[in-house]
Amino acid sequence: GAGVSQSPSNKVTEKGKDVELRCDPISGHTALYWYRQSLGQGLEFLIYFQGNSAPDKSGLPSDRFSAERTGGSVSTLTIQRTQQEDSAVYLCASSLAETAFYGYTFGSGTRLTVV
Amino acid sequence: RKEVEQDPGPFNVPEGATVAFNCTYSNSASQSFFWYRQDCRKEPKLLMSVYSSGNEDGRFTAQLNRASQYISLLIRDSKLSDSATYLCAGPFGNEKLTFGTGTRLTIIP
Repeated sequence: GAGVSQSPSNKVTEKGKDVELRCDPISGHTALYWYRQSLGQGLEFLIYFQGNSAPDKSGLPSDRFSAERTGGSVSTLTIQRTQQEDSAVYLCASSLAETAFYGYTFGSGTRLTVV
Repeated sequence: RKEVEQDPGPFNVPEGATVAFNCTYSNSASQSFFWYRQDCRKEPKLLMSVYSSGNEDGRFTAQLNRASQYISLLIRDSKLSDSATYLCAGPFGNEKLTFGTGTRLTIIP
């Protein structure tokens, strides 16, 4: 596609429910990143994919968070048993290069609200 | 020390003025640096890349000082539309970008 596409754009869920967030990177981009941004806060790294493998998942805050990428393209971030502190904007980015040397392009994000 | 630090501001600057803000970093291994612009409730968008000493694009100039380990962003003849949060970022030896917390800029008519 022309840009990084994320869905849904907004998600309101009840505490304790599971949610899935989707990211469709720019076609041909091999690297894919997930970040989250809480209200008024900076960007917090979650996980990085190169192809379908995740060399760096050091930012996942707990074992309730998991992510996968299939076909070297679409990625899904899953949050199980959501908590109120999970409320944030979840941003996906992709990059043509294998590293972040050239920077990357963000999607418009999924705004998650846990009530 | 944080990998990258920015003055959070806010910077309130009159229209037409020149404004500059810095971003300091702790890891000297990085070969590339970036300035991103983030509007309220929007995603960050790449504004400028810096790979050597500096880069200029119209009213915007980004400079890199490796000896003192900081990058700067200069905006000349500021416009109301320049109001946003500016984030600096770098890989700092990793395969992912680490972002500063951002500097909030408001251009006043």
